[in-house]
Amino acid sequence: DAKTTQPPSMDCAEGRAANLPCNHSTISGNEYVYWYRQIHSQGPQYIIHGLKNNETNEMASLIITEDRKSSTLILPHATLRDTAVYYCGEIGSGGSNYKLTFGKGTLLTVNP
Amino acid sequence: NAGVMQNPRHLVRRRGQEARLRCSPMKGHSHVYWYRQLPEEGLKFMVYLQKENIIDESGMPKERFSAEFPKEGPSILRIQQVVRGDSAAYFCASSPGQGIQGQFFGPGTRLTVL
Repeated sequence: DAKTTQPPSMDCAEGRAANLPCNHSTISGNEYVYWYRQIHSQGPQYIIHGLKNNETNEMASLIITEDRKSSTLILPHATLRDTAVYYCGEIGSGGSNYKLTFGKGTLLTVNP
Repeated sequence: NAGVMQNPRHLVRRRGQEARLRCSPMKGHSHVYWYRQLPEEGLKFMVYLQKENIIDESGMPKERFSAEFPKEGPSILRIQQVVRGDSAAYFCASSPGQGIQGQFFGPGTRLTVL
């Protein structure tokens, strides 16, 4: 079962930053935080992942708190095409570093 | 370079029938993963395969479900004697090696059991 909690839905205005929170209350020291998104009727798409430090790539930024109990995915300039369900999760760095497990995610709706 | 391909995209079966779901990984990828997404639920890992080997099937029900990834041809997820609770979206992902960063997902097969 999922170990993360996310708000079920959020709205964001087009062009503004979207900040999606995730609580990782049971995360352990060697588990990575990762984010995927799923646009309606498509397969999940990898966005970003991190362990302790904040990360940035061409899609988004990831902020992880110092205690690692929460993370925030930031889409700096949301577009209508960013409307999707966003999933956060955790995965170990050891032998099972392939099992993706998501909760119900956050439905982000970007409004014009 | 074609992505992960799954077929059929939609599959309807009656209770008791068999469902066969196919997944062709991306070119050059020898690791395949199957996930199930129940309605209004998150994604759950089922099985991880490399060519001709099942590496981890801990997420797959012990009965009625099986998976294979033969030396030639696509990976197959087979569900025997389907029940209504098997209705879900089944996603396949592939990667060139082990680990999440390189997992690329297919469009999924939506199974409906009548």
